[in-house]
Amino acid sequence: DTAVSQTPKYLVTQMGNDKSIKCEQNLGHDTMYWYKQDSKKFLKIMFSYNNKELIINETVPNRFSPKSPDKAHLNLHINSLELGDSAVYFCASSHMVGTEAFFGQGTRLTVV
Amino acid sequence: QQQVKQSPQSLIVQKGGISIINCAYENTAFDYFPWYQQFPGKGPALLIAIRPDVSEKKEGRFTISFNKSAKQFSLHIMDSQPGDSATYFCAATKRTSGTYKYIFGTGTRLKVLA
Repeated sequence: DTAVSQTPKYLVTQMGNDKSIKCEQNLGHDTMYWYKQDSKKFLKIMFSYNNKELIINETVPNRFSPKSPDKAHLNLHINSLELGDSAVYFCASSHMVGTEAFFGQGTRLTVV
Repeated sequence: QQQVKQSPQSLIVQKGGISIINCAYENTAFDYFPWYQQFPGKGPALLIAIRPDVSEKKEGRFTISFNKSAKQFSLHIMDSQPGDSATYFCAATKRTSGTYKYIFGTGTRLKVLA
């Protein structure tokens, strides 16, 4: 009964590959996010969706493409992976703007 | 305008001591200030939050102090315990902006010695 679940937890891949990270929330929230946490633990928002509509698209390379098939799911697809993409990616959800954000356990992406 | 500055970067406290983490923001439009706690290998989890219409909020051993004029807020952990050892993030957002964006501080790694 995990509230926000991400798969996979670990992802090791070679440069140039394409990979996807999946996220599902069972909290009934209408807003979902992707955050990137770098090696220094800095958390930076990448995308936010509200009711399947893209609300925030921070200065993220267009190799990153989020997809929200429904309110409960927000997937992240990354094309042509680069070494600098190595980080922990967190999915999160909230009921509405400014309320508590619930985070998943993160996906540690390592590009070699 | 969008930054939240957090200090210190790391903190070591003896068991039973007080841990204090400070944050400063620039955007006066922010109206919700949560603190998140993150254990290794886990996602951040909400610890406590405050709105700018109050100067202090206490939940158990955790207290947020808020100084609106100075644009600063801080987290105090009283009677710190080894189980409090984690990374703490302050954050800020504007609840009514429709941007759904939290701005996080850079994090403070707290270690409480037994």
